[in-house]
Amino acid sequence: DMKVTQMPRYLIKRMGENVLLECGQDMSHETMYWYRQDPGLGLQLIYISYDVDSNSEGDIPKGYRVSRKKREHFSLILDSAKTNQTSVYFCASSLSRGGSDYTFGSGTRLLVI
Amino acid sequence: GDSVTQTEGLVTLTKGLPVMLNCTYQTTYSPFLFWYVQHLNEAPKLLLKSSTDNKRTEHQGFYATLHKSSSSFHLQKSSVQLSDSALYFCALSEPSSSGSWQLIFGSGTQLTVMP
Repeated sequence: DMKVTQMPRYLIKRMGENVLLECGQDMSHETMYWYRQDPGLGLQLIYISYDVDSNSEGDIPKGYRVSRKKREHFSLILDSAKTNQTSVYFCASSLSRGGSDYTFGSGTRLLVI
Repeated sequence: GDSVTQTEGLVTLTKGLPVMLNCTYQTTYSPFLFWYVQHLNEAPKLLLKSSTDNKRTEHQGFYATLHKSSSSFHLQKSSVQLSDSALYFCALSEPSSSGSWQLIFGSGTQLTVMP
């Protein structure tokens, strides 16, 4: 069963704490993505990873960094979380070719207080 | 650059009525369009996709036709159900600077179906 798995599903952190969001996929997809979703703003791209250690900023990378040391695993890190980073974070993966659709994870709901 | 426009942020309908959610796009490449559906507290899931001009694509009662002449890919259903209440995203596939591909998403349309 092909899927993208995100951990944790829910997370509460205090402002200034570090946050690690993890994402795994079992489809050997080259490309992985991190998005955040806020009401009225749709899906905003944070980072793209084209393969191991090959990452690129998306539209809103400030305050975030990523790590991809294995093709099947892609992490999003928030160093010193801020309250405006409260959001729902989605990981996705796809094949690196035109017309390929995304498989999304179930999302991580992060609350920074 | 490439873009996707969804003009309606919120659509409210009574069960059994038809619906059309608008999607237009801009691209310099051969277009490949997608519709994703996201139910409350769930992940977005692919609903349908197309790259063929003037050919209707259908799935789960929804259908869309890519019209390159008008740069449109509107989503339609002839009779909405309560379970169709969800957030719908239109997306366009485009090449990234690295040579890979990525989806450009519209802002989404929230469809609410009333009894």
